Amino acid sequence: QVQLQESGPGLVKPSETLSLTCAVSQYSISTDYHWGWIRQSPGKGLEWIGSIYHRGGTYYTPSLKSRVTISVDTSKNQFSLKLSSVTAADTAVYYCARRVYKRLTTTIIVPQWFDYWGQGILVTVSS
Amino acid sequence: EIVMTQSPATLSKSPGERVTLSCRASQSVSSNLAWYQQKPGQGPRLLIYGGSTRATGIPARFSGSGSGTEFTLTISSLQSEDFAVYFCQQYNNWLGTFGQGTKVEIK
Repeated sequence: QVQLQESGPGLVKPSETLSLTCAVSQYSISTDYHWGWIRQSPGKGLEWIGSIYHRGGTYYTPSLKSRVTISVDTSKNQFSLKLSSVTAADTAVYYCARRVYKRLTTTIIVPQWFDYWGQGILVTVSS
Repeated sequence: EIVMTQSPATLSKSPGERVTLSCRASQSVSSNLAWYQQKPGQGPRLLIYGGSTRATGIPARFSGSGSGTEFTLTISSLQSEDFAVYFCQQYNNWLGTFGQGTKVEIK
């Protein structure tokens, strides 16, 4: 069974950069699938942040695109999230997940569901 | 943005009862709809995709139906381990918006 585990600081100061890593086991991320980040807060519910393909193609939610970077390290079988200039509104539980996709053509893919999730990590933005 | 609305927010049921949860999309998402179960302290668990296809290892008491804008998740006979929060998610686009969830609690 594919397993994902988030790690990183649980407390980040306002205006700084939030950095999280997702370690994947029981599956090589360089094989296939998209790998994504989702966050959950009481006010906004579950919100997709972005996804990355093992070859490096990225997709970000428009509202966060200017502050988000997702990268992949196939040698460590993990992927990472960086969210810059954080505010209290970025306080949430952050999940990493594997996202299924469907390839329509050699250049067009469509997103599908998330089939495996990590247990989540609470990140609080506070001074 | 496609808005997903779930109802009710909370459902109080007893073990053995039949449960029906609703999810409505603000515009058609075809059959691009998934359901997840979430328990406290855990990440969501995929139950249903394609509106009605059970994910691997999901018991047959869980079933999904609907297409377009109206979807339903049914639990035919509630078990103790089914008390949790259930979310729907559309994946008609990359945003993949989620509903706010329905909590199924013990009556």
